[in-house]
Amino acid sequence: QVQLQESGPGLVKPSETLALTCTVSGGSNSNNYWSWIRQPPGKGLQWIGYVYNNGRTNYSPSLESRVTISVDTSKNQFSLKVRSLTAADTAVYYCARGDDSSWLSFDYWGQGILVTVSS
Amino acid sequence: DFQMTQSPSSLSASVGDRVSITCRASQSISLYLNWYQQKPGKAPKLLIYGTSNLQSGVPSRFSGSGSGIDFTLTISSLQPEDFATYYCHQSYSTPWTFGQGTKVEIK
Repeated sequence: QVQLQESGPGLVKPSETLALTCTVSGGSNSNNYWSWIRQPPGKGLQWIGYVYNNGRTNYSPSLESRVTISVDTSKNQFSLKVRSLTAADTAVYYCARGDDSSWLSFDYWGQGILVTVSS
Repeated sequence: DFQMTQSPSSLSASVGDRVSITCRASQSISLYLNWYQQKPGKAPKLLIYGTSNLQSGVPSRFSGSGSGIDFTLTISSLQPEDFATYYCHQSYSTPWTFGQGTKVEIK
């Protein structure tokens, strides 16, 4: 059974950089797109971007200038950095696995981590 | 970007009812449409992928249909544990996008 677990700070100051890590256990394959998705309180889901197993990335244009996603296959981890934070970045951040054998749907999710941007 | 529009935004239904939620894409997305269920404080859970494929472990009362731009999630007989918010998601083209959600409430 694949499991994902987010880790990182719950409170970050405006203008600073958020760094989150997702640890994957239980196996993966070469056809996985490791994504970050966020959900502001009371609102819907927003895809941030993905890193493929070979390190190739793809980002949402609305966040591309401030976001970096990377993978460390030796540690079974992938990471998210969001720069120049504002209150609008306050959200629950989820990591999730996309699998091209299931139409690129997100079949496994982490539990989510609430990140609040506030001074 | 491919915009995804769900309707209705919310609905009230009773246990045993047949419920349908629709999702319309701004352009054709072939069959790259997925459905998720989210309960308060929890991560979304994949229900249907590729328009009509039932994810392992998901009850057969859930089904999906459609193609191109119009898609439907149907719950054949609503159960107490089905009261939640449902999201559609297109994985045809990045940036991958979600519908705004449909909240299914108890009548």
